[in-house]
Formats: sequence, structure tokens, C-alpha cells
Amino acid sequence: DMKVTQMPRYLIKRMGENVLLECGQDMSHETMYWYRQDPGLGLQLIYISYDVDSNSEGDIPKGYRVSRKKREHFSLILDSAKTNQTSVYFCASRDRADTEVFFGKGTRLTVV
Amino acid sequence: GEQVEQLPSILRVQERSSASINCTYENSASNYFPWYKQEPGENPKLIIDIRSNMERKQIQGLIVLLDKKAKRFSLHITDTQPADSAMYFCAAITGGADRLTFGKGTQLIIQP
Repeated sequence: DMKVTQMPRYLIKRMGENVLLECGQDMSHETMYWYRQDPGLGLQLIYISYDVDSNSEGDIPKGYRVSRKKREHFSLILDSAKTNQTSVYFCASRDRADTEVFFGKGTRLTVV
Repeated sequence: GEQVEQLPSILRVQERSSASINCTYENSASNYFPWYKQEPGENPKLIIDIRSNMERKQIQGLIVLLDKKAKRFSLHITDTQPADSAMYFCAAITGGADRLTFGKGTQLIIQP
């Protein structure tokens, strides 16, 4: 059963704290994505990773960084979280040879 | 970054009538166009997609049309049911870059 797993599902952090969101996939997909979703704005691409240590900025990378040291894991890091980073974060993955993009169940992050 | 425009943002239709959502894209190199349905609190799920070598695709009551010349694609839901009420997102993938860009979404409301 193909799966993208996100941890944690819910997170509350104080402003200025560091945040680590983890994502794993069991399909050996080369490409992985991090999006954030806010009401009325749809899904906005933060970072895209083409494989291990091959990452590229998306449309809204400011305030975020990523790490991909293994093909099956892709982490999103917020150094010194801000209240405007309160959002739902989705990780996704895709096989280059195929087309469908698979989404994780999301992490709801609240920064207070 | 590349834009995908999606209209309308809210769509109310009577049960058993048809619903249509339209999207336009900028990059003529885009070659894959998925549609996602998202229920409240859930992740986006692929419902139908179309590749650039096709003009029309149908899966049961879902029809996707692609007009490459106009850089426009659309989703048509026939014989709508209450279970079709959800948020719908169109997206486009640009070949090579693997970037998946989403429209801002359409809230579809099926009225009895």
C-alpha cells in the first residue's frame, strides 16, 4: 500500500522556537514536495526535492529550509517560527516515470 | 513562479445538475494536469487527470477537457450528488521541472 507519512499530525509551538516536520514515503519516489495550505490561497509550494541533497526553492521558501539525506525522507525546518507560519503543511511525492502525486495527511502547525 | 488560475472560487449547483470548473495555465511546456478533491480535514486526493497528448478524458461522471492552444483545462461533474460537495483543486506539472502548481481551489456546494 503506497503511503506518504507525516509526523507529527498536530503541533503547537511558541514564536521563536525551531520546528521540524518530518515526511516519509515507502515508494522510492525521486521527487518530493512541501506545500502549505491556507484558506483562500490553495496549496503553495515551499520546496521541491529531486533526490538526495538535490533541493530547489518553490514559490514561498522564505523562513523555511529542507533536508533530504535519504530518498524516503524529506524534512521541513522552520528556524525561529513566526505566527504567520501557522498553517497546514502537506508533504507529497512522485515517481519521475509516473505522473500521480501522492499526499500525506498533513501537519497542522500553530505558532503562538 | 508559474500561475494556475482557477474559477470560480465558490460554485453552488442543484443536486443532479452539472458542475464545471475552469483553469488556465501559463507554461506551454506543462504536460500533465491533475484534479484533486479535498474533504474537510483531509489531504487532497487525485480524482482524474489528463496528459497533454489527450483532449478529453472521462471516468464515470467526471470529464476533463484540455485545450492546449488556449492553455485551458476544465473539470465537469455530471449528475452531482451531495457527496460531491468538497474543495476541488486543479494543478499543472511542467515537464522536466516536476513542479506541481495548484490553482486556489473551488468550493463546490451541492444544494438539495
